[in-house]
Amino acid sequence: GENVEQHPSTLSVQEGDSAVIKCTYSDSASNYFPWYKQELGKGPQLIIDIRSNVGEKKDQRIAVTLNKTAKHFSLHITETQPEDSAVYFCAASGSGNQFYFGTGTSLTVIP
Amino acid sequence: NAGVMQNPRHLVRRRGQEARLRCSPMKGHSHVYWYRQLPEEGLKFMVYLQKENIIDESGMPKERFSAEFPKEGPSILRIQQVVRGDSAAYFCASSTGTGAYGYTFGSGTRLTVV
Repeated sequence: GENVEQHPSTLSVQEGDSAVIKCTYSDSASNYFPWYKQELGKGPQLIIDIRSNVGEKKDQRIAVTLNKTAKHFSLHITETQPEDSAVYFCAASGSGNQFYFGTGTSLTVIP
Repeated sequence: NAGVMQNPRHLVRRRGQEARLRCSPMKGHSHVYWYRQLPEEGLKFMVYLQKENIIDESGMPKERFSAEFPKEGPSILRIQQVVRGDSAAYFCASSTGTGAYGYTFGSGTRLTVV
């Protein structure tokens, strides 16, 4: 089955700096890679996703890159703000119906 | 348009009791997925259901756990004879169709077994 690894597990950045979270996956059949933000006591919220036919996608301060050959994808948050503080999860999915999640990155943006 | 609704938000059960977790998908969504999140871990898939059918239960423990999504009413995740190791956050997600696009998660039910 698919195995998704995520790094780092914790990340602290100064407000205004960039944050980068990296994930690797094992199953070359995976073709959909969403990123979720989870705030304390809440469910995961989809913030951006990318499909395997695209190498990069951007939405305002958030971008995701995908390297299919190396089987890794990354989340980039620029100009970080305190409200970006949360736990971020990457996930991978292929032809099946389930997502395989990474173990999460706890991001702290220091004002 | 309400999102995915889960209740209760918090549930405390004594060892050996039964836990019933409910999930009402978003309006127009007929596919429901249940995930479990242990403390400081990612979400683990449990089961995928459509109305009146279990499509994929490969992530469900073989004993004590069951799920249903009846024609009318919410999806139910049922845990019989709970043990302390069942303590976790249980999240439900819904989507409009097959495949993994368009997942929307609920706020979860936090089960504590004492």
